[in-house]
Amino acid sequence: DAKTTQPNSMESNEEEPVHLPCNHSTISGTDYIHWYRQLPSQGPEYVIHGLTSNVNNRMASLAIAEDRKSSTLILHRATLRDAAVYYCILRDGPNFNKFYFGSGTKLNVKP
Amino acid sequence: DTGVSQNPRHKITKRGQNVTFRCDPISEHNRLYWYRQTLGQGPEFLTYFQNEAQLEKSRLLSDRFSAERPKGSFSTLEIQRTEQGDSAMYLCASSFFAGGTYNEQFFGPGTRLTVL
Repeated sequence: DAKTTQPNSMESNEEEPVHLPCNHSTISGTDYIHWYRQLPSQGPEYVIHGLTSNVNNRMASLAIAEDRKSSTLILHRATLRDAAVYYCILRDGPNFNKFYFGSGTKLNVKP
Repeated sequence: DTGVSQNPRHKITKRGQNVTFRCDPISEHNRLYWYRQTLGQGPEFLTYFQNEAQLEKSRLLSDRFSAERPKGSFSTLEIQRTEQGDSAMYLCASSFFAGGTYNEQFFGPGTRLTVL
């Protein structure tokens, strides 16, 4: 399974944008890029996913590099509730069986 | 609440005892997954079911671990002869799988196991 690399931690000010990077240089053509986040004392929750094109939803935006070897999760206005561990995960397209999580990026949001 | 539920939320046991956890997925979901998460790490895949069939098991799932989903609805994860290394959060997730379409996994709150 393709591996992802993320910074261990990042800090942001409330109401400012946050860009969370992820490197996945060994990504294959059928790997989808997923982002989940885990709030304290909760299970992970879905944030966004994409294959090749940039994606937007109500929670965030996903910017995917043209060569797909990296991606960036963008939170447009961080709130205190966005403080969580963010996981960038690759999953093989046709199989959709399971996720391999890394250690993720712990995002701290300062008021 | 129609999300994934797990019981118990916390379990403290003595080494050598058996424990069983239950997961109730979202009702229309045909896939159910078990993960284990230790402190400071991301969740690790253990096993998954499609309906009642257990389709894949990780090598992390030793012979002391067994999971069932007898009627394709709820699932149980049993750990026999617990060891201190089994102390972790056990997470359950479910999804609806239909062909090659994307299926988001919905996670439960987890069961935290402490083995003394």
